[in-house]
Amino acid sequence: AQSVAQPEDQVNVAEGNPLTVKCTYSVSGNPYLFWYVQYPNRGLQFLLKYITGDNLVKGSYGFEAEFNKSQTSFHLKKPSALVSDSALYFCAVRVLTGRRALTFGSGTRLQVQP
Amino acid sequence: DAGVIQSPRHEVTEMGQEVTLRCKPISGHNSLFWYRQTMMRGLELLIYFNNNVPIDDSGMPEDRFSAKMPNASFSTLKIQPSEPRDSAVYFCASSLTVSTDTQYFGPGTRLTVL
Repeated sequence: AQSVAQPEDQVNVAEGNPLTVKCTYSVSGNPYLFWYVQYPNRGLQFLLKYITGDNLVKGSYGFEAEFNKSQTSFHLKKPSALVSDSALYFCAVRVLTGRRALTFGSGTRLQVQP
Repeated sequence: DAGVIQSPRHEVTEMGQEVTLRCKPISGHNSLFWYRQTMMRGLELLIYFNNNVPIDDSGMPEDRFSAKMPNASFSTLKIQPSEPRDSAVYFCASSLTVSTDTQYFGPGTRLTVL
């Protein structure tokens, strides 16, 4: 079975400071990893994904994530947070074969203070 | 492209009534997914289709739930009879192919069963 853990329910950061939203995963086999963002009363928006290749993945809105196989982690980062980044962030995983659906983490609420 | 379209955006109904949620995937996408989001359980996959065929419905909570995809541009999720515990936001997502794993989400339908 595949699973995703987002250990922090909420992350608070001041505008202009770097941010990190943590994600660890558990799968049998090579993972596909994703980050999505959800703004209030909206659907999930795709941010970035890791399939293979470079462990550092760059995505939308200046976000990036680093795949670390030894630590089974895929933390989301941004060098300088904006107030508009405040939202709910979901990490998701699936494996190459088998069940095509994504398994989502519980979500982390990011609050960026002005 | 208009993205994934869901209707209605909000639905309020009484216990015992039939509810039908609708989804139009992105044109050309051949995989479609139905998710449910609640505070208690987070994002859960209910069912997904590939080329209009249901592939995995293990997430459908019980026989009261059914889903169909009569053609490539339309899917329905039906709850009959509805119960208060079905209250949630229901998301539809689509992806281009089974090997292209980015799923694009609709805005969701917020269902309230009184």
